[in-house]
Amino acid sequence: SQTIHQWPATLVQPVGSPLSLECTVEGTSNPNLYWYRQAAGRGLQLLFYSVGIGQISSEVPQNLSASRPQDRQFILSSKKLLLSDSGFYLCAWSVTSGSGETQYFGPGTRLLVL
Amino acid sequence: RKEVEQDPGPFNVPEGATVAFNCTYSNSASQSFFWYRQDCRKEPKLLMSVYSSGNEDGRFTAQLNRASQYISLLIRDSKLSDSATYLCAVKAGGFKTIFGAGTRLFVKA
Repeated sequence: SQTIHQWPATLVQPVGSPLSLECTVEGTSNPNLYWYRQAAGRGLQLLFYSVGIGQISSEVPQNLSASRPQDRQFILSSKKLLLSDSGFYLCAWSVTSGSGETQYFGPGTRLLVL
Repeated sequence: RKEVEQDPGPFNVPEGATVAFNCTYSNSASQSFFWYRQDCRKEPKLLMSVYSSGNEDGRFTAQLNRASQYISLLIRDSKLSDSATYLCAVKAGGFKTIFGAGTRLFVKA
């Protein structure tokens, strides 16, 4: 079965510091991968998605970037964190079935920027 | 108008009650619809897909109304363990799925 891992689980970083969050998927090949951010009490905001190695689409302009160096690895980065980057970061992968493309989420990384 | 809208609640219901949530969407070209459940400080987990003909999974029933552009989730015989935030998700063509901000449900003993 497919599993998705994210680390770290929680992170406290100072403003202006760099960031690297990692997501890996097991049990599937060539998945579509997604990064979302969920601010406290808010909905999910799509940040990036990827349909293959090296293929990244950005949904919102901001100080974050994403990379997909391997088929089942998706990385979210920042060179300099802002206070507004605090939130719950979720990686997701998707599979297409009869009901359409269904997304499954990893356990998330809770980031607090101070 | 938001692409996907939900009543944030909270809905406070006693055990055994029936509760229903709606979720409206603005893109008439939307093709796929889902309900997710999110527990506090956890990731969303797929509850069920929503089919055109409606579908049922135990105590949960999902319906799609394309004419009025909304989906619904009905929970019968509510359990304490149903307390969570319920997110609807809507997908048109392409790769982007739009999630609602969620409806909070509290089931009380």
